[in-house]
Formats: sequence, structure tokens, C-alpha cells
Amino acid sequence: GQSLEQPSEVTAVEGAIVQINCTYQTSGFYGLSWYQQHDGGAPTFLSYNALDGLEETGRFSSFLSRSDSYGYLLLQELQMKDSASYFCAPLISSGSARQLTFGSGTQLTVLP
Amino acid sequence: DVKVTQSSRYLVKRTGEKVFLECVQDMDHENMFWYRQDPGLGLRLIYFSYDVKMKEKGDIPEGYSVSREKKERFSLILESASTNQTSMYLCASSVLSDNSPLHFGNGTRLTVT
Repeated sequence: GQSLEQPSEVTAVEGAIVQINCTYQTSGFYGLSWYQQHDGGAPTFLSYNALDGLEETGRFSSFLSRSDSYGYLLLQELQMKDSASYFCAPLISSGSARQLTFGSGTQLTVLP
Repeated sequence: DVKVTQSSRYLVKRTGEKVFLECVQDMDHENMFWYRQDPGLGLRLIYFSYDVKMKEKGDIPEGYSVSREKKERFSLILESASTNQTSMYLCASSVLSDNSPLHFGNGTRLTVT
């Protein structure tokens, strides 16, 4: 079967670094995406890793290890506006197409 | 800027009613998706479509159907609404590429009483 795990909550202080882990067990895996969603808002795309390694985009980085079925999102220099839910989403094959399967999300709270 | 528009922000329907949720995107995207979001369960895929008149079942298609007669419009249909379909429904679109991000609408909060 398929499974997807990420922590339900993470709390950190402004200026700190936080890592949100994601482990997945799925067949037909193509890559791993991360999305951010503020309360009452729509999810927005942060990153996509197709290959092993670290991808950096400003204060946010995303890592993938296909052999370990593991990835993480790293947020540096945390700001209050980073308080949101973060979803990992493996891209998997589905019939003749591909689909994103979302985890249950990690609620990040940034404290002053 | 990509715009995905869902016809209603809030909707209240009665059990047994037929419900239509409409979604329109303005960027000529091939892919369109319907997710529902519930606390603690994240986003779960109901149906998606990668071309006009094409549809694929997602993880939780039971009780739902979809229609894609035009490329820009993807409709979610609840044939006979039930209280367990009370949820936030999110539509999204993307181009046909693995690393293409999903662009989400603002969601429709459906309450079935």
C-alpha cells in the first residue's frame, strides 16, 4: 500500500532554522513536491525534487533521497509570515497519468 | 498570472440534493484536479482530468462525478449530497509536465445539512 508521513506540528522561533521531514512509501514514484498553505488560503507551490539532493530557493531548501524514500523541507531565517501548513506531495503514476498525493500537512508556528 | 476561479466560496445544501461545483482556469492548462481538504487528513484527490472529456479517478471518487466539456472548465458533481461530503473543495490546474506546479483556486466550503 501507500503511506505518507510528516509531523503534524512544529514550533520554532523567529530567525531559527526548522526542518520538516517527509517519508513516503509508494509505487510509481517520480518526484516530491512541497506546498505551503496559510490559514484560509489556497496551497501554493514551493519546490519539486525529481533527483536526489538539495534544491535551494532563497530561504527555503528541499531535499530528496529516493533510496531512503525520504525528503525534507528546510526553512531558514524563519519569519512570522512562515507560520502556515506545509504539505509534502509525492508525484506518482496513476493509470495512464500522474497525480500528486498530499500528506496530512505540518502546522508550523513561528514564535516571536 | 494564473487564475483558477471556483464559482462559490461558501455553499449550503441539503442531504440528497444534486450539487455542482464549478472551476474555471484561464491559462490553457491541460491538467485539472479536484481535491477535498479535511482537518487532519490533508488534501485528498477526488478526480482529475488531463484533457477535454478525459477523467481519471483519484483516491476517493465514491459519491462524486466530474465533467470536462471544455479545456478551461472542470465541474465536480455530487449526485446525492450526504453529510459526510461536508468539506472544503479545492480545484487546481497545471500544465502537462512533472515539475509543473499546481495552481489552486480559493476553495469552496460546502456544508451539507
